[in-house]
Amino acid sequence: EPEVTQTPSHQVTQMGQEVILRCVPISNHLYFYWYRQILGQKVEFLVSFYNNEISEKSEIFDDQFSVERPDGSNFTLKIRSTKLEDSAMYFCASSEAVGQGSEQYFGPGTRLTVT
Amino acid sequence: GENVEQHPSTLSVQEGDSAVIKCTYSDSASNYFPWYKQELGKRPQLIIDIRSNVGEKKDQRIAVTLNKTAKHFSLHITETQPEDSAVYFCAASISGGSYIPTFGRGTSLIVHP
Repeated sequence: EPEVTQTPSHQVTQMGQEVILRCVPISNHLYFYWYRQILGQKVEFLVSFYNNEISEKSEIFDDQFSVERPDGSNFTLKIRSTKLEDSAMYFCASSEAVGQGSEQYFGPGTRLTVT
Repeated sequence: GENVEQHPSTLSVQEGDSAVIKCTYSDSASNYFPWYKQELGKRPQLIIDIRSNVGEKKDQRIAVTLNKTAKHFSLHITETQPEDSAVYFCAASISGGSYIPTFGRGTSLIVHP
């Protein structure tokens, strides 16, 4: 069964550094998402992406964040200048369609630790 | 925006018992309610979902009920097994647009053998 993959599994960075988290969605999926989960807390939506542009974004997704689909397979999340509070698990997800009942498949996550 | 409350935060049961996790939502326009299971250190995985035109849905030992009037929905797991131990998240969303689920805070289910 095809799966969403993410790299790296764990990223440690210093405050103020830029990080890029990478995701490879399921190949026939058209909609892509990033979520974050601070340790012990709920999953929070960051951004959705379709047809090479952002569809929706949350309040968390400020100017420090950006997303890109640089080629036909990768979907990236960039944090320009990391802060301590950016430490979290970041999940990528993709779905074949959108709307009611379109299941989102989550990747295994990247644990970001900002020191 | 949508607000989803989930209770309890922790649920401990003996193997074979039933477990019930409850969620409430605030936006009456929400019409799709998935439940995710997240094992320790792993990705959230959809286990069951329900749409607003259905009151109950079952899949083997798992069932979900929805009360639109009261704006709450529940996950029921019968004959629990140790491998059911995980964090369970409910979510609510509105169809149309990008379908962005709002998640509850999660319930840590512990099934003791």
